[in-house]
Amino acid sequence: EVQLVESGGGLVKPGGSLRLSCAASGFPFNTYSMTWVRQAPGKGLEWVSSISSSSDFIYSADSMKGRFTISRDNAKNSLYLQVNSLRAEDTAVYYCARVDHYDSSWFFQHWGQGTLVTVSS
Amino acid sequence: EIVLTQSPGTLSLSPGERATLSCRASQSVSSHYLAWYQQKPGQAPRLLIYGASSRATGIPDRFSGSESGTDFTLTISRLEPEDFAVYYCQLYVSSRYIFGQGTKLEIK
Repeated sequence: EVQLVESGGGLVKPGGSLRLSCAASGFPFNTYSMTWVRQAPGKGLEWVSSISSSSDFIYSADSMKGRFTISRDNAKNSLYLQVNSLRAEDTAVYYCARVDHYDSSWFFQHWGQGTLVTVSS
Repeated sequence: EIVLTQSPGTLSLSPGERATLSCRASQSVSSHYLAWYQQKPGQAPRLLIYGASSRATGIPDRFSGSESGTDFTLTISRLEPEDFAVYYCQLYVSSRYIFGQGTKLEIK
């Protein structure tokens, strides 16, 4: 069974930093691209960043570039998101998801339960 | 930049009725790259449809997807109580992903 478990969220002051983690199990982690998606309270889904299986390719939403850095450690079956210079508008649940690819289609079949980041003084 | 616009914002229907949710892309896109998700309160999104019309594993056949040009449609043929949720369309374009703003399907 595919499992994705996020951790590392919490309350942080504006300008602070956090490192979010996503522990993966139940599938060959080193063969899948992974992604982060966030959702502000009461709002819609927003794609943050994606990373290829061997970290060769990294893509990020323009609004996240420079402050958010995705990475992975295939030896530890783990995905990370370093978030710096946090602002109130970064308050959200951050989900990790596996990127699936089938017949020219790309989608997120499996999601974690999310970790809440709250930015407040 | 491509924008996905979902309509209506809120759809009020009764169990047993048919639901039709729309997702319009601001420019021509490949149907291969369009997916639909369902999200219930306090839960992660759940993949329903990929490639505009292919049902994900375990998704009931009352859910179907279609496309016509830049217009994509998610249809729920006969609403069950568990179908009342928020639905998002998602587009993959140039190695990035765009979500629509969502349609809330509520019980009338």
